[in-house]
Amino acid sequence: DGGITQSPKYLFRKEGQNVTLSCEQNLNHDAMYWYRQDPGQGLRLIYYSQIVNDFQKGDIAEGYSVSREKKESFPLTVTSAQKNPTAFYLCASSNVLQNTEAFFGQGTRLTVV
Amino acid sequence: AQSVSQHNHHVILSEAASLELGCNYSYGGTVNLFWYVQYPGQHLQLLLKYFSGDPLVKGIKGFEAEFIKSKFSFNLRKPSVQWSDTAEYFCAVNAGTGGGNKLTFGTGTQLKVEL
Repeated sequence: DGGITQSPKYLFRKEGQNVTLSCEQNLNHDAMYWYRQDPGQGLRLIYYSQIVNDFQKGDIAEGYSVSREKKESFPLTVTSAQKNPTAFYLCASSNVLQNTEAFFGQGTRLTVV
Repeated sequence: AQSVSQHNHHVILSEAASLELGCNYSYGGTVNLFWYVQYPGQHLQLLLKYFSGDPLVKGIKGFEAEFIKSKFSFNLRKPSVQWSDTAEYFCAVNAGTGGGNKLTFGTGTQLKVEL
């Protein structure tokens, strides 16, 4: 089946540790996005990428890093510099050339203790 | 920078009442507009989208939205809500290739429909 896969669904880490969230898509989409969802704040854009080997900061990029070495993959690293990392993280992708809507993964809930 | 405002954060309606959720965006160029819904415990789903053409777009489950360019608005409507419409609704704007394909969401509106 085509879609976006985020893993793991739940992730626990100790404070001060970096952690990488996985996002893979087999939709052949060019654009990929990472959002953070917190109650009452909607979805806030962390990073996005239009093409391989290129990405841009979103509205809340501090404390996060990404890479886009392959079209299918857009991993997000939550670094120890992120002051409040506990959140629900959503990955999405869209077809830029065909101007489609974004399709979302099921999300990863990260808890830092 | 583009931004999206949803003015209603929490809405409570009785079944069969009409619904209108406000969405305003700020961006001077051509935009693509979306409404997404997140039912409890489920992932985000597309309700409807506007790219061009007829500014009144119809989506799934009886929802519709009207793009009013002069008001930078894309309000969501439904004539008669059902209990199953209880969910969180998000408006989103994408400035397209010219705007770097940045997809920005509003803060969401939590809708509760009471029997």
